[in-house]
Amino acid sequence: QSALTQPASVSGSPGQSITISCTGTSGDIGAYDYVSWYQQVPGKAPNLLIYDVSNRPSRASIRFSGSKSGNTASLMISELQPEDEAHYYCTAYTRRRTLVFGGGTKVTVL
Amino acid sequence: EVQLVESGGGVVQPGGSLRLSCGGSGFTFAAYVMHWVRQFPGRGLEWLSLISGDGDDIYYADSVKGRFTISRDNIRNSLYLHMSELRVEDTAFYYCVKDGAGLGFHFDSWGQGALVTVSS
Repeated sequence: QSALTQPASVSGSPGQSITISCTGTSGDIGAYDYVSWYQQVPGKAPNLLIYDVSNRPSRASIRFSGSKSGNTASLMISELQPEDEAHYYCTAYTRRRTLVFGGGTKVTVL
Repeated sequence: EVQLVESGGGVVQPGGSLRLSCGGSGFTFAAYVMHWVRQFPGRGLEWLSLISGDGDDIYYADSVKGRFTISRDNIRNSLYLHMSELRVEDTAFYYCVKDGAGLGFHFDSWGQGALVTVSS
């Protein structure tokens, strides 16, 4: 199963908004609205930010939002803050009844 | 508070076997799908397997199908991963993960991880 495609890095200044893309195929992202996003800081396990494309768990900041168009999902971080500096991963459910991760994106706050 | 605690990691030779365990608490264990996910030294994440709450539905990634076996004991609130025919490329941190509420599968709560090193 091929990994979903994410940019290796994205950067922005404090207060700006940035978007991370996650591109798959009609067999995964395009097949279902079952895309989720995770934040991982060094030394910690990943933390759920978004599930089912655009739903946010209560513990996640409202500055994180998700969307999807065709075979590409996106995570937007608004009002970028220094503590947002981390790695971000997308994942999707596939028609083969498996889940697949993206390669990860490192977000740098300038 | 949801807690997931993995155990059983260690160093094993290529071709060897290892069993990981995960104890869950703070939630109704039998009600949730559970997953195993691993993270390679270079940070990449890979989903490995899921098991339904009653244990009847099980799925695997192609990379481990036929070598790894997921199971659960809802009386002991425990999840297991039996790994055999281990390869050097199986070296990774292995996470026990609880699925969340919602329509699709997603990784709601994670354990601290267990390091598995496959080396001669």
